[in-house]
Amino acid sequence: SQTIHQWPATLVQPVGSPLSLECTVEGTSNPNLYWYRQAAGRGLQLLFYSVGIGQISSEVPQNLSASRPQDRQFILSSKKLLLSDSGFYLCAWSVPTTDYNEQFFGPGTRLTVL
Amino acid sequence: GQNIDQPTEMTATEGAIVQINCTYQTSGFNGLFWYQQHAGEAPTFLSYNVLDGLEEKGRFSSFLSRSKGYSYLLLKELQMKDSASYLCAIMDSNYQLIWGAGTKLIIKP
Repeated sequence: SQTIHQWPATLVQPVGSPLSLECTVEGTSNPNLYWYRQAAGRGLQLLFYSVGIGQISSEVPQNLSASRPQDRQFILSSKKLLLSDSGFYLCAWSVPTTDYNEQFFGPGTRLTVL
Repeated sequence: GQNIDQPTEMTATEGAIVQINCTYQTSGFNGLFWYQQHAGEAPTFLSYNVLDGLEEKGRFSSFLSRSKGYSYLLLKELQMKDSASYLCAIMDSNYQLIWGAGTKLIIKP
């Protein structure tokens, strides 16, 4: 069976500090991978998605970046965090088909920037 | 533009029935998803509709009318554990999911 891991679960960082969130998927090959952010009481905002190693599409211009160094590893980074980066960060995966896109979510990372 | 509308919050009584509506205008349509999200947790899949009509799965049913750009999620025999946010998402012409802001459902005893 497939599982998706995210860490850390919670993070408190000062403004201007760097960020690295990691997501790994087990039990599937060549998944589509996604990073979302969810502000308090809001919907999901797609930040990045990837259809393969080294292939990253950015949906929203910001001070965040993403990388996919391995098939089942997806990393979200920032060089300098802003207060507005606070939120609930979710990694998700889906099977690499184009006609059905059920996404499976990791447990999330709650980031507070102070 | 792309737009998905859901009520922000709804309240219902334990044991009752509640209907959560979702209307959408998107660039293409390749299916509609409903997800459940408990506070502080990740969303989990509930249902998928791509053709018009009603899909029933236990206490939960989902309806779609593509011509009206409309869907609803029907929850029967409400339980306290159904208190959660319910997210409507559309798979657009690029097969990407566009998410609504979600409906927070509060169940009272």
